[in-house]
Amino acid sequence: GAVVSQHPSRVICKSGTSVKIECRSLDFQATTMFWYRQFPKQSLMLMATSNEGSKATYEQGVEKDKFLINHASLTLSTLTVTSAHPEDSSFYICSARVGVGGPGDTEAFFGQGTRLTVV
Amino acid sequence: AQSVTQPDIHITVSEGASLELRCNYSYGATPYLFWYVQSPGQGLQLLLKYFSGDTLVQGIKGFEAEFKRSQSSFNLRKPSVHWSDAAEYFCAVGLSSNDYKLSFGAGTTVTVRA
Repeated sequence: GAVVSQHPSRVICKSGTSVKIECRSLDFQATTMFWYRQFPKQSLMLMATSNEGSKATYEQGVEKDKFLINHASLTLSTLTVTSAHPEDSSFYICSARVGVGGPGDTEAFFGQGTRLTVV
Repeated sequence: AQSVTQPDIHITVSEGASLELRCNYSYGATPYLFWYVQSPGQGLQLLLKYFSGDTLVQGIKGFEAEFKRSQSSFNLRKPSVHWSDAAEYFCAVGLSSNDYKLSFGAGTTVTVRA
């Protein structure tokens, strides 16, 4: 299957600083990428949908000014956690959709995730 | 609101034994249903998905899942587990035919003992 790469896989940052997480589709163009967050022992929660060249669409309850998403090219989306605090510590995962449409038409592939720890 | 429940947080199974992971969903219509597996340091890998047709779906790595509308369930099975099947397994639901937003269960960690 297609490959989605996330970087970094782990990051530790100080409270108050910002952290950028990259999600790249290595061998296909992704017009849409999705960002998820996973708390320990809980589900992956969709945070936002990122469309190339346009503003991201955030799910209810997700602070768009805190979690800045940029999808500047068909192969790269970035999530920046601004002014990070310990409660932002979590596992962040992106997925990239091949082509358009839903599960009946296409596939989405996941990155390996980024473990963020804010100290 | 839609939800996905995986009742078992952790399952331990002997190598060669059968495995069944449970998944229940709450949604009015028949959603798109998925099972993903995540090994340490790896991304989520799709095992199988269902959206119509035969309710018994075959996936990769010898896995299968059965959709039961009456029970709102989509349980994952494997007849004979290998040590390499130790991983975390996620059931997910897709609600739209036009995008790939997924709602996930909390996951089940599978440990395989020799």
